Amino acid sequence: QVQLVESGGGVVQPGGSLRLSCAASGFTFSSNGMHWVRQAPGKGLEWVAFIHYDGSNQYYRDSVKGRFTISRDNSKNTLYLQMNSLRTEDTAVYYCAKDKRCGGDCYFFDYWGQGTLVAVSS
Amino acid sequence: QSVLTQPPSVSGAPGQRVTISCTGSSSDIGAGYDVQWYQQLPGTAPKLLIYGNSNRPSGVPDRFSGSNSGTSASLAITGLQAEDEADYYCQSYDSSLSDWVFGGGTKLTVL
Repeated sequence: QVQLVESGGGVVQPGGSLRLSCAASGFTFSSNGMHWVRQAPGKGLEWVAFIHYDGSNQYYRDSVKGRFTISRDNSKNTLYLQMNSLRTEDTAVYYCAKDKRCGGDCYFFDYWGQGTLVAVSS
Repeated sequence: QSVLTQPPSVSGAPGQRVTISCTGSSSDIGAGYDVQWYQQLPGTAPKLLIYGNSNRPSGVPDRFSGSNSGTSASLAITGLQAEDEADYYCQSYDSSLSDWVFGGGTKLTVL
């Protein structure tokens, strides 16, 4: 069965850095695009970043462009999110999620990890 | 502020039918991008409930159904059960932002 296990969250000061990891199993990781999605405390879901199956292309929401970097190591079945210049508004549970398509106009997330909490506070 | 608009809350008694709306625009749902629905039980990760507007993944009861029309979509839950009490999120793709977008979420309370 598909498993996604995030790690690396914690408390960090504003302006600091953190690297999240997501260990994947139960599917062919190297054949699938992957996402990071976050959820601020008591708030809704917000897509953060996407990376193609081979790491050739990455996409980000505007508020994290230039600060966050999504990457992957297909030899280790692991997805990463390097977060620099962290702000208080980046405080959230960060989920990794597997990309799925069901036709030309169908883009979604079919499996999610359990999430890891990032708290940006002084 | 979310790109897709959902009511903050809905409620219903056990056995009843409830619907949750999701309103988008000409750059997401109205552009023909499919709508998905996710269920998030308290303290857990989201779970895919409906994909491609109206398809249920294996294991999702047929009490859950999805539909869409124009720039809006709806999730219907029939035969409401206590275990359905959760937050529900719609999701699509926005071509003007090149982003995967969500609604703000709807809290379902089973009375």
